[in-house]
Amino acid sequence: RKEVEQDPGPFNVPEGATVAFNCTYSNSASQSFFWYRQDCRKEPKLLMSVYSSGNEDGRFTAQLNRASQYISLLIRDSKLSDSATYLCVVDFYGGSQGNLIFGKGTKLSVKP
Amino acid sequence: DAGVIQSPRHEVTEMGQEVTLRCKPISGHNSLFWYRQTMMRGLELLIYFNNNVPIDDSGMPEDRFSAKMPNASFSTLKIQPSEPRDSAVYFCASREDSWASPEAFFGQGTRLTVV
Repeated sequence: RKEVEQDPGPFNVPEGATVAFNCTYSNSASQSFFWYRQDCRKEPKLLMSVYSSGNEDGRFTAQLNRASQYISLLIRDSKLSDSATYLCVVDFYGGSQGNLIFGKGTKLSVKP
Repeated sequence: DAGVIQSPRHEVTEMGQEVTLRCKPISGHNSLFWYRQTMMRGLELLIYFNNNVPIDDSGMPEDRFSAKMPNASFSTLKIQPSEPRDSAVYFCASREDSWASPEAFFGQGTRLTVV
């Protein structure tokens, strides 16, 4: 069974705080991993891919631990505009013939 | 490119009626996904097509749901007969499906209300 588990939150943090989200997945054969962002009443959009070596994009850092089947997203110096739901996504086959399975999302609310 | 186009944006129908949701993927993308999103269950994958062929339909809730992709530029999701519990936002997404470009792009969704 393909499952992606996330803490639903909500995470309520002040501006400037650092916040971390975690995600676990069930299938060790999973090949590709992503974080998507979804604003209220909008479609999900790619935030960043997650690579085995870890990767950083500005204030955002993603990590992958294949042994523990665990993905994380760290947001530093959070902004009001970071308020959204963050979705962990696992491609259970990778590349061609892949199924994209979404976690239920973690809601983040950044307060002034 | 205009992105993934879904229609209608909103649909209100009576229980028992047939509902057809439409999706035009991004040109050149060879994978297409249909998702359903509710507060309780989040984003659920209903069916996944690759090169117009259904690869995995294990997420389709029951026989009332059917999906087709007659060509690379069009897909439909049909619910017949519709029930109130089908009320949700239905998203279509497509992607190029290559290692270089694994991102899936979503349409704006169809908000379905069955009364």
